[in-house]
Amino acid sequence: KQEVTQIPAALSVPEGENLVLNCSFTDSAIYNLQWFRQDPGKGLTSLLLIQSSQREQTSGRLNASLDKSSGRSTLYIAASQPGDSATYLCAVGGSQGNLIFGKGTKLSVKP
Amino acid sequence: GAVVSQHPSWVICKSGTSVKIECRSLDFQATTMFWYRQFPKQSLMLMATSNEGSKATYEQGVEKDKFLINHASLTLSTLTVTSAHPEDSSFYICSARKVWGRDSDGYTFGSGTRLTVV
Repeated sequence: KQEVTQIPAALSVPEGENLVLNCSFTDSAIYNLQWFRQDPGKGLTSLLLIQSSQREQTSGRLNASLDKSSGRSTLYIAASQPGDSATYLCAVGGSQGNLIFGKGTKLSVKP
Repeated sequence: GAVVSQHPSWVICKSGTSVKIECRSLDFQATTMFWYRQFPKQSLMLMATSNEGSKATYEQGVEKDKFLINHASLTLSTLTVTSAHPEDSSFYICSARKVWGRDSDGYTFGSGTRLTVV
């Protein structure tokens, strides 16, 4: 059974810092991996999608890497801003299309 | 592109009543929709997978008679919580899978529905 773990559970940083969020999964037979952002009481916003054949994806200040063999992914956020404050979710996709989520990392960026 | 509209965004209902939640894919056809539930400080948990024109596939531990899913068209899936009880209070969110290339696909989520049963 696939399990997804995100570390840390919460993170507080001053504005401008670069930071890394970690995600690990137990079964390397994944279809893809996706990072989402969730604001309080709101739905999910897709940030980056990495196919199983890819190593990383970049979008603006965000960079996500994937190492299937070790069961790890990282989300790198450069020059963090208060607007980046949210919960970041990692989810691995199976061949059936379902997603298995981690519990998320709650990020707080202080001005 | 790839927008999923979900409503209502929040609902309060009395115990014993039924609540219907709708998800529509606005600019693409979603042959498959997924329904998730999220309890406070927990991860999203898949409840069921809904395929257009066929019966939904429920995850272990999810009562199919309590959580009725209908996916009658390629753009609409509904989740009905029947005879709701306070323990059903949760955040429900749908997701549609869009395939646009041989090697790429993605998941678009609705904005979620906060259900409170009193």
